[in-house]
This record gives sequence, C-alpha cells and structure tokens, in this order.
Amino acid sequence: NAGVTQTPKFQVLKTGQSMTLQCAQDMNHNSMYWYRQDPGMGLRLIYYSASEGTTDKGEVPNGYNVSRLNKREFSLRLESAAPSQTSVYFCASRSKRANTEAFFGQGTRLTVV
Amino acid sequence: AQRVTQPEKLLSVFKGAPVELKCNYSYSGSPELFWYVQYSRQRLQLLLRHISRESIKGFTADLNKGETSFHLKKPFAQEEDSAMYYCALSGGATNKLIFGTGTLLAVQP
Repeated sequence: NAGVTQTPKFQVLKTGQSMTLQCAQDMNHNSMYWYRQDPGMGLRLIYYSASEGTTDKGEVPNGYNVSRLNKREFSLRLESAAPSQTSVYFCASRSKRANTEAFFGQGTRLTVV
Repeated sequence: AQRVTQPEKLLSVFKGAPVELKCNYSYSGSPELFWYVQYSRQRLQLLLRHISRESIKGFTADLNKGETSFHLKKPFAQEEDSAMYYCALSGGATNKLIFGTGTLLAVQP
C-alpha cells in the first residue's frame, strides 16, 4: 500500500514564484490535512478538508490555498512564495471515525530564496 | 478554541531513567488525544491514543480531564526512544487535528 504520497520531495523557489504541492491517499479516507513543520514551532495546521467538497482554514492559512480535487487528492498552492514559507510540508489523511489514526506523507522540503 | 501545549522543547535523560513528556490541552468538548512520534528520517507515526489505554513500546499516557493533561510516560528509557514526540488533539464534527510544538527526547547511553 502506498498510503499517503506527496510530490515533490524537494523544491527550491524564488520569491514571488508559485507552485502546487500534491498529495494523494489510497486509504479511502474522508479527511485530509496540510501542515508545516518549523524548528521550535512544531506542526502547524495550514488547511484541512473534513470530507470531499469541503475545506477549512487551520492555524496558519495566510499565503496558501487548497483544492480538494476528489476524495483521494488534496493539493496546496503557494501563489507568490515568500522566504517565510521555507519549511517542511506534510500532508496527512484520516478516517472520519472517532479516535482514528492520521497517516502522513514523507514531507516536502521547500526553500524559498 | 483547541490548543495543545508541550512546555519542553528538549528532554535529555540517561538510558534506564524514567521519562515524562508533558502535554496540556484546551478544548471545550470531549477531546480525542494522541501521541505521535517522528524518528530520524522517518514519517510521523501514531504512538498511542487515549481511548485505547494501552502501552506501546513501554510508553503509557493517561488522560486527566481535571488537569487537562495527557502526559506520556515510560519507566525506563532506551536509546532507541530518542525521537521527536508530538501531542495531538482532535474533536468536533470537522475532524480538525492539531499538534503541539513537540518535545525532542534524547536518551544518552
């Protein structure tokens, strides 16, 4: 089983460039999430999608947009990258049943110069 | 509002010593609480959840609703326990899942 797959694994952008991080899961999960991981800040929720067709802002949504393309895929877009968005980005998915485990992708290391 | 607080950024202990990683939460409803672990160069993975009341790799965590805490404990630390540990909270119809800032556990030989 592939689980949660993120692409790309690494990316370097110039300030002002745009890009989309892709995430796909094959576990038939309803809920999907995007986080960023920064030293000393832990994992911060950017956006999440409780189910297909819905998206909600998390703790740090500014500068990002998301699309829940279908049940499998949840993409994160940076329209105009800034150095403050240099981070490691993680996608996760989870069933809507209570107390269930979230499964994570391997992460995307993004550097904005 | 949901909030998770992990007060310690780094916890360094010697092998065989007891370990306690602290987690406090803020949530108005019935929380779902978890501990996740991230070993070096690996994905985050679930360690345990409060509903299971189980011991995983010798770790246990008890939900204390009065103190709004969910501390992670292990009586005898092993070197292979060295990792980043995150406390996580979920609840409500939106299935929102948030994490604390993490505690890096370093077990010295």
